[in-house]
Amino acid sequence: GENVEQHPSTLSVQEGDSAVIKCTYSDSASNYFPWYKQELGKRPQLIIDIRSNVGEKKDQRIAVTLNKTAKHFSLHITETQPEDSAVYFCAAITSGSARQLTFGSGTQLTVLP
Amino acid sequence: NAGVTQTPKFQVLKTGQSMTLQCAQDMNHEYMSWYRQDPGMGLRLIHYSVGAGITDQGEVPNGYNVSRSTTEDFPLRLLSAAPSQTSVYFCASSYMGHSGNTIYFGEGSWLTVV
Repeated sequence: GENVEQHPSTLSVQEGDSAVIKCTYSDSASNYFPWYKQELGKRPQLIIDIRSNVGEKKDQRIAVTLNKTAKHFSLHITETQPEDSAVYFCAAITSGSARQLTFGSGTQLTVLP
Repeated sequence: NAGVTQTPKFQVLKTGQSMTLQCAQDMNHEYMSWYRQDPGMGLRLIHYSVGAGITDQGEVPNGYNVSRSTTEDFPLRLLSAAPSQTSVYFCASSYMGHSGNTIYFGEGSWLTVV
């Protein structure tokens, strides 16, 4: 099955700096890569996603890049703000009828004021 | 529109007790699933269903049963609770079709087994 590895597990940045979280996946058939933000005690919330036919996607301060050859994808947050502090999870879905979402282990992002 | 609704939100069980976590969605989604979330391990898939009457095992199915008698409901049963099942449980749903469909999560159920 799919295996998703996520780094780093913790990340601290100064407010206004950029943050980058990286994930690698094992199944070359995976074709959809969402990113979730989870605040303490809350459910995961989708913040951005990318399909395998696209190399980069941007939404305001958040961007995701995908390198299919290397099987890795990254989340980029620019101009970080204290409210960006949360746990971020990457995930991958393999095509087919069994749409299993495999998650990375998460990154605790802390934005220091 | 309620989305994905899970009950109960909090539950304490004694070892060996059984219980059912309820999950319902009102979006007519074919796909429903249950995840457990443990510290430092992300979310792991327990069971999933691609439609009424169809269920299958995920990564960590042992100790759990599911059924899907209707499109709306996907209950998760713990047959004989163990301390290792202390976790946060999330139900999720989405449309089928191409894999880019958004997956919606319930608010979570915090389960403690003593």
